[in-house]
Amino acid sequence: DADVTQTPRNRITKTGKRIMLECSQTKGHDRMYWYRQDPGLGLRLIYYSFDVKDINKGEISDGYSVSRQAQAKFSLSLESAIPNQTALYFCATSDAGTGIHEQYFGPGTRLTVT
Amino acid sequence: QKEVEQNSGPLSVPEGAIASLNCTYSDRGSQSFFWYRQYSGKSPELIMFIYSNGDKEDGRFTAQLNKASQYVSLLIRDSQPSDSATYLCAVSKSGNTPLVFGKGTRLSVIA
Repeated sequence: DADVTQTPRNRITKTGKRIMLECSQTKGHDRMYWYRQDPGLGLRLIYYSFDVKDINKGEISDGYSVSRQAQAKFSLSLESAIPNQTALYFCATSDAGTGIHEQYFGPGTRLTVT
Repeated sequence: QKEVEQNSGPLSVPEGAIASLNCTYSDRGSQSFFWYRQYSGKSPELIMFIYSNGDKEDGRFTAQLNKASQYVSLLIRDSQPSDSATYLCAVSKSGNTPLVFGKGTRLSVIA
């Protein structure tokens, strides 16, 4: 089974709709991240959480919100989806205990906003 | 100056050759350095990391770090068409901040 899972894997939604992307992990990692990736723009950090009670904005948090429901779960919400939020979204995890901080990525969610 | 810079490519190499991918970073206090491989439409996959000056080898891959010059490179020996992907360089500035990613270099290995 995959260590980091994302649901849904693909989603088509309409402008103005609220949607939630979910991430779960069985790696036992304390840190979780949400990125979006657009062609030519690389990975851009949306939000990150270093533990259950910690939420931090990344470089492009406007229009997004997150919830860390448990150590293993980190959800990303688009309050009112707009077409320029069409992108590939990745969740990632890392373990502060290693001291190295390598991140492991989920399979991604392809989101299309029409 | 961007925090982590990579040439976007594409870098084309013939099958069996050595592919050399380079990355420079701006924060001299950066501590750990990572190489990820990403196939089109797929998620980034960690290839290897390095945190000490010098070379680190893992199979056909060698990571090289030069902190004085602030660059890190990835060498892929005996390149195969299956190595064709985008390679992302990432840098850890400290344990309290997320990794900073470059935009990646697209590698094409020609059979």
